[in-house]
Amino acid sequence: EPEVTQTPSHQVTQMGQEVILRCVPISNHLYFYWYRQILGQKVEFLVSFYNNEISEKSEIFDDQFSVERPDGSNFTLKIRSTKLEDSAMYFCASVPKDGNEQFFGPGTRLTVL
Amino acid sequence: GNSVTQMEGPVTLSEEAFLTINCTYTATGYPSLFWYVQYPGEGLQLLLKATKADDKGSNKGFEATYRKETTSFHLEKGSVQVSDSAVYFCALSDLPSGGYNKLIFGAGTRLAVHP
Repeated sequence: EPEVTQTPSHQVTQMGQEVILRCVPISNHLYFYWYRQILGQKVEFLVSFYNNEISEKSEIFDDQFSVERPDGSNFTLKIRSTKLEDSAMYFCASVPKDGNEQFFGPGTRLTVL
Repeated sequence: GNSVTQMEGPVTLSEEAFLTINCTYTATGYPSLFWYVQYPGEGLQLLLKATKADDKGSNKGFEATYRKETTSFHLEKGSVQVSDSAVYFCALSDLPSGGYNKLIFGAGTRLAVHP
């Protein structure tokens, strides 16, 4: 059964460093999302992406964040200069054309020291 | 704005016990409602959904009914198993189709079932 994959499973970085979180959505899916969950808090929407552009973003998704679909298979989230408060689990999701369900990856745990 | 509130965990039950996890929401319009489950080390998986008032979503013995009058979508299962141990997330999407729009999640409820 096709699934969304994410790498790495755990990323540790120093404050101020750039990180790139990678996602491979399910083939033929058209809509892509990033969410995050700070430990003990709610899963929060960050950004949605369709037709090679951002369709919606939350207040969290400021200028330090960017997304890209560089090669038609990967979907990446970049944080330019990480802060301590960026430490969280980051989930990628994708949606097929019929739009019935968001399929989630297993998440990347980001730890900023 | 739209929001979801679900009961805090952890919920600890013995095998074959009855499960209820409460979820209430605040939304304008007619949202779609979802329950997602996260097993250890895995991603969020859709458990069930309902797209309009009085709809009942069901899957793997779990059920939830979309109650507009009480703005609730409580998750129930008549007899839980050890394999049901996971974190359960209630969520809403403010489009009827549910899939395309962002999801707004509750905080998650951890369920632990003991033999």
